[in-house]
Amino acid sequence: GAGVSQSPSNKVTEKGKDVELRCDPISGHTALYWYRQSLGQGLEFLIYFQGNSAPDKSGLPSDRFSAERTGGSVSTLTIQRTQQEDSAVYLCASSLGRQLAGGRTDTQYFGPGTRLTVL
Amino acid sequence: GDSVTQMEGPVTLSEEAFLTINCTYTATGYPSLFWYVQYPGEGLQLLLKATKADDKGSNKGFEATYRKETTSFHLEKGSVQVSDSAVYFCALGSNYQLIWGAGTKLIIKP
Repeated sequence: GAGVSQSPSNKVTEKGKDVELRCDPISGHTALYWYRQSLGQGLEFLIYFQGNSAPDKSGLPSDRFSAERTGGSVSTLTIQRTQQEDSAVYLCASSLGRQLAGGRTDTQYFGPGTRLTVL
Repeated sequence: GDSVTQMEGPVTLSEEAFLTINCTYTATGYPSLFWYVQYPGEGLQLLLKATKADDKGSNKGFEATYRKETTSFHLEKGSVQVSDSAVYFCALGSNYQLIWGAGTKLIIKP
């Protein structure tokens, strides 16, 4: 089946505007993850969903960032009042969401990312 | 907390050379270990993984062995090709979260 898809692939916005980034996970994957890839910070975990619930929001950088997931499928990451430091590639991943022994992590499959540029 | 350290790049090699990219980790518990690759202009792709000590992950000629005693997961390939030029990321999986190394850019010259 299809892999993880994200839209838009590129987004250029002005400082202070709100943006929405979309992620479509692999069909049947119950877990969904958002990461951010930036030059200064490398790859950072943002948030994790199991079904429609987000047990861990600790990676969100500020209260300007929020995410939701509906129907156990599509997720939207919203950034309000964007700042230049928000410029990065936002990556979405999904996995089967299995509870593995010893707290091991199920394999995560990544989308192509959304490149956000805040002017 | 958990962390991953991988060798800094760029690493430049000639075609058919032997490749090693070092990765060490610090973790509580027994994490899964992964290597992801990012080709120019593309997204992250899983290259290989290992879920327990002494497991060897392999794919496309690349190998890495989960070494608990040295807390390492070094990536190796016997003979690299120009098409292997990419950025390689070592990652540690603990529960649901992936913790990433900084990435190593690999450049293969013909």
